[in-house]
Amino acid sequence: AQRVTQPEKLLSVFKGAPVELKCNYSYSGSPELFWYVQYSRQRLQLLLRHISRESIKGFTADLNKGETSFHLKKPFAQEEDSAMYYCALMSNTGKLIFGQGTTLQVKP
Amino acid sequence: NAGVTQTPKFQVLKTGQSMTLQCAQDMNHEYMSWYRQDPGMGLRLIHYSVGAGITDQGEVPNGYNVSRSTTEDFPLRLLSAAPSQTSVYFCASSPGGGGSSYEQYFGPGTRLTVT
Repeated sequence: AQRVTQPEKLLSVFKGAPVELKCNYSYSGSPELFWYVQYSRQRLQLLLRHISRESIKGFTADLNKGETSFHLKKPFAQEEDSAMYYCALMSNTGKLIFGQGTTLQVKP
Repeated sequence: NAGVTQTPKFQVLKTGQSMTLQCAQDMNHEYMSWYRQDPGMGLRLIHYSVGAGITDQGEVPNGYNVSRSTTEDFPLRLLSAAPSQTSVYFCASSPGGGGSSYEQYFGPGTRLTVT
């Protein structure tokens, strides 16, 4: 089965602390993985995709096929990073499968 | 470009009523999808379309109908509303194909309450 799991509903850190949002997936073959973000009162938007190996707003995510993980990391959290984060997997039929989402709360 | 637009923003229905959630995009995207967002459940795919005249079911299609008569529009119909359909509904579109075309563009959402 193709599945995305985000084990944490809520992650609360202080400003300046490192952040790691966990994402594990189940997929046979080479996965296409994404992180989407939803800031308060804004629409859901793409943050980054593994295929482009980019860093957006200081966030990075590395695909680990051995551990079937795609964790989102940032070395120093900012208050404006507070949002809902979704990990997503492109299925082999072209559908996007989302995880349950993790709310990141960055405290001052 | 307006991107992906959805109407209405809010709606309250009584059990058994029917209604249509509207979604339109002006980016000439082939792929369009409907999701529902529920606490602890993430985003679940209801129906999707790979082009005008072609639709298919997602993960949670029961109680919903869709059609795609034009590239721009992808309405979602609730046939007989139930309290379990209380949710936030998001429409999304993407160019389709591979690579960067996988990015989905989301609408602002419709918050639906069924009493």
